[in-house]
Amino acid sequence: NAGVTQTPKFRILKIGQSMTLQCAQDMNHNYMYWYRQDPGMGLKLIYYSVGAGITDKGEVPNGYNVSRSTTEDFPLRLELAAPSQTSVYFCASSYSTRGGDSPLHFGNGTRLTVT
Amino acid sequence: GQQLNQSPQSMFIQEGEDVSMNCTSSSIFNTWLWYKQDPGEGPVLLIALYKAGELTSNGRLTAQFGITRKDSFLNISASIPSDVGIYFCAGLSGSARQLTFGSGTQLTVLP
Repeated sequence: NAGVTQTPKFRILKIGQSMTLQCAQDMNHNYMYWYRQDPGMGLKLIYYSVGAGITDKGEVPNGYNVSRSTTEDFPLRLELAAPSQTSVYFCASSYSTRGGDSPLHFGNGTRLTVT
Repeated sequence: GQQLNQSPQSMFIQEGEDVSMNCTSSSIFNTWLWYKQDPGEGPVLLIALYKAGELTSNGRLTAQFGITRKDSFLNISASIPSDVGIYFCAGLSGSARQLTFGSGTQLTVLP
């Protein structure tokens, strides 16, 4: 199994450009998440999904959009990139929200720089 | 929203030394988790704690769920170079569907 696969690994955007961060998982997990990681700030939840066709906002959703048309894929869209969106983005999936019984499986991240 | 205060923010230790880090919150959590992030990778679950007072070990790692349910600590004994990374605590409360993460402890092990 590949687990959680994120593409691209690195990207540089100009202010105002748009892009989609791709995330796919092959574990048949219902729950998928997008986090951003800023230095010294831990992981902040952007959006999450509890199943195909269902998405919900996390702690820091402004400036982002998501969709969940299939169980496997959970892309994150930036429509008008801003310098404040410079960060490392992690996609994760889990079987449930139990926590330890159903741990989050993280991808290896996408490092995004907006200049 | 709920917040977790994780300390220390960074640590530099000699190989073979023991390490201790902790997380505290003003809110009660029902589950405490500890994750490790290796450079260039996503976090990986180390230990999960479900009951107040619970003490759980995973090899050289030991974690405890505080009696008040508002704190947790992680100890690493006899550190080795591959312990280098960022350690995150995370909590799950009864009312929240999602984890709250601490800000991380950056651990450097010197030879």
